[in-house]
Amino acid sequence: DAKTTQPPSMDCAEGRAANLPCNHSTISGNEYVYWYRQIHSQGPQYIIHGLKNNETNEMASLIITEDRKSSTLILPHATLRDTAVYYCIVRPYSGNTPLVFGKGTRLSVIA
Amino acid sequence: DTGVSQNPRHKITKRGQNVTFRCDPISEHNRLYWYRQTLGQGPEFLTYFQNEAQLEKSRLLSDRFSAERPKGSFSTLEIQRTEQGDSAMYLCASTPRTGSHEQFFGPGTRLTVL
Repeated sequence: DAKTTQPPSMDCAEGRAANLPCNHSTISGNEYVYWYRQIHSQGPQYIIHGLKNNETNEMASLIITEDRKSSTLILPHATLRDTAVYYCIVRPYSGNTPLVFGKGTRLSVIA
Repeated sequence: DTGVSQNPRHKITKRGQNVTFRCDPISEHNRLYWYRQTLGQGPEFLTYFQNEAQLEKSRLLSDRFSAERPKGSFSTLEIQRTEQGDSAMYLCASTPRTGSHEQFFGPGTRLTVL
């Protein structure tokens, strides 16, 4: 079972920041937080991951609380192409463990 | 395109028939995963290969399901005696040997069992 809790859906205006929350209160010390997204009719796509520090890449920023029990994925300037289901996943970094997906958050970016 | 490819993209079959799907991972990726996704749900893990060895199988992988990766490159997933409940998107993903946090997913094969 997924170890994360996410809101089922969110809306965001185009050009604004999208902030997607995730609760993972039972996360273990060796588990990372991963975010993937799935655009309609495509396979999931990796976005970002982190252990305890905030992370940023060309796609998004990941903010992890100090107690690591929750995190927020930030898309700084959402576009219509960011409309997708976003999955927050906790997983130990071993390089080979399967991903355990929950139902994710369906983000709708509105023009 | 050097991404993960899956064939066919769509398959419609009648209940009781056998179907086989193929996944071609990214070249040099030694780990390969199969997932199943039903409508409105996130993908669920089915099985995992490291090279040609099948290292882990989910309880979702009933005895009607079999997966192979004979030469450590492409993989096939066969479903025998299909049932309507097998209707789903079947996703394949691959990762390189070490040092990558990312699983690269293919576009999936959508199976419809009538």
